[in-house]
Amino acid sequence: ETGVTQTPRHLVMGMTNKKSLKCEQHLGHNAMYWYKQSAKKPLELMFVYSLEERVENNSVPSRFSPECPNSSHLFLHLHTLQPEDSALYLCASSLHAGQAKNIQYFGAGTRLSVL
Amino acid sequence: GESVGLHLPTLSVQEGDNSIINCAYSNSASDYFIWYKQESGKGPQFIIDIRSNMDKRQGQRVTVLLNKTVKHLSLQIAATQPGDSAVYFCAENSPLSGKLTFGQGTILTVHP
Repeated sequence: ETGVTQTPRHLVMGMTNKKSLKCEQHLGHNAMYWYKQSAKKPLELMFVYSLEERVENNSVPSRFSPECPNSSHLFLHLHTLQPEDSALYLCASSLHAGQAKNIQYFGAGTRLSVL
Repeated sequence: GESVGLHLPTLSVQEGDNSIINCAYSNSASDYFIWYKQESGKGPQFIIDIRSNMDKRQGQRVTVLLNKTVKHLSLQIAATQPGDSAVYFCAENSPLSGKLTFGQGTILTVHP
């Protein structure tokens, strides 16, 4: 148990659906992250939030919309996704963003399949 | 070692052997490095870290070596066990952006 919980663990959606991924951290951290993990590719950073403010948006398509209502919760809202968006979506948290010795703790991920 | 490409590097060892997993990083200015372990169905798990002002750091059964001259990082696992089977990632921290950049990963398989 890493202290970072993601739900759902698995999600299958059609291209016209709207769904949301949820992440909750119980570590008292101030920074939260969304990553995309595709097969045989390095982790791709999508978004970074620090103290509920978005500080990084790595050219992610607008069909992915993050939300951080407080420092413990992070959402990723999905709409009109494409089959190539199928991947494992990982949430992470760290004490602070943008610092050295920035250990990030990961959730188990949501396995997303877009049909 | 790790590299960008279509196939993940793999390492197969027998239980009880020592394992060495390598990583070539890209940014000579990176000041901090982390090794993560990702088991099937789980997220990456922190194993050990090292600052750029160190050459070696030891943990429980694991040692990380850093060679800044050739931008190379290695993870040594002593007396490898079946439970060590996983994908291992290195990550480097950029002091300018404060972001972690992850390597592609190496698949470690430990045979009983």
